[in-house]
Amino acid sequence: EAQVTQNPRYLITVTGKKLTVTCSQNMNHEYMSWYRQDPGLGLRQIYYSMNVEVTDKGDVPEGYKVSRKEKRNFPLILESPSPNQTSLYFCASKTGAGNEQFFGPGTRLTVL
Amino acid sequence: GEDVEQSLFLSVREGDSSVINCTYTDSSSTYLYWYKQEPGAGLQLLTYIFSNMDMKQDQRLTVLLNKKDKHLSLRIADTQTGDSAIYFCAENAFSGGSYIPTFGRGTSLIVHP
Repeated sequence: EAQVTQNPRYLITVTGKKLTVTCSQNMNHEYMSWYRQDPGLGLRQIYYSMNVEVTDKGDVPEGYKVSRKEKRNFPLILESPSPNQTSLYFCASKTGAGNEQFFGPGTRLTVL
Repeated sequence: GEDVEQSLFLSVREGDSSVINCTYTDSSSTYLYWYKQEPGAGLQLLTYIFSNMDMKQDQRLTVLLNKKDKHLSLRIADTQTGDSAIYFCAENAFSGGSYIPTFGRGTSLIVHP
C-alpha cells in the first residue's frame, strides 16, 4: 500500500531533550516536506527536500533540523525542544513535478 | 513569500450548499488544490483545477477559478454531516526552480442538522 508513515504518533517530552520524528514513504517520491499545524495558523512548512541530500528551509525552520540521506526517509530533528514546539506535525511527499501531496497521519508532540 | 488566504470558519445546515473561498497571489501557479482534513487525520487531496480552466465539477463538488482576480472557490452541494472537516486551499507556487505547494490556513466547515 502506497503510504507515508510517521513515528511516533504521539510524544510527550521535556524541554531540552533531543528527539527525532521519523518519516518514510514507499512511493519513490523525490519531494518530501514537514509541516506543523497550529490552531488559527493552519499548516506552516518547516523544511522541504527536493531530493536526496537537497534540503531547504520553509516558513518556520527555527529550532528544527532535517536530513535526507535516502530517498524514502526524511527525519525531523529537534535538538533542544521548547514548549512553543508543541504542535501537530505532518510529513508529506510527492513526485518532483507531481500535483498531489500525500500526507502522513501526523505526530502530536507535547513539550513540557 | 506568497500567501494563500481563506476564512477560518463556515457553518451551514445539512442539505444546504457550502461555498469556501480562497485567494492566492502567485500568478504562475499551474494547479490549484483543495485538500480535506477530517478530525484526527492527515490531509487528503479532494480535487484540483488546472490554471487554464475556470470550472471543474466532480459529483457534489464544483471548483470555480477566477484567474484574473486570483480567486478560487469550492462549492459542496447538498452538504452532509460527513463533510464536516477543515478544507485547505493550496497553490503550486514557483520558487527556486521548482513548484512548491503553499497552503492556506484552512476553513473549518461545520455542518449542523
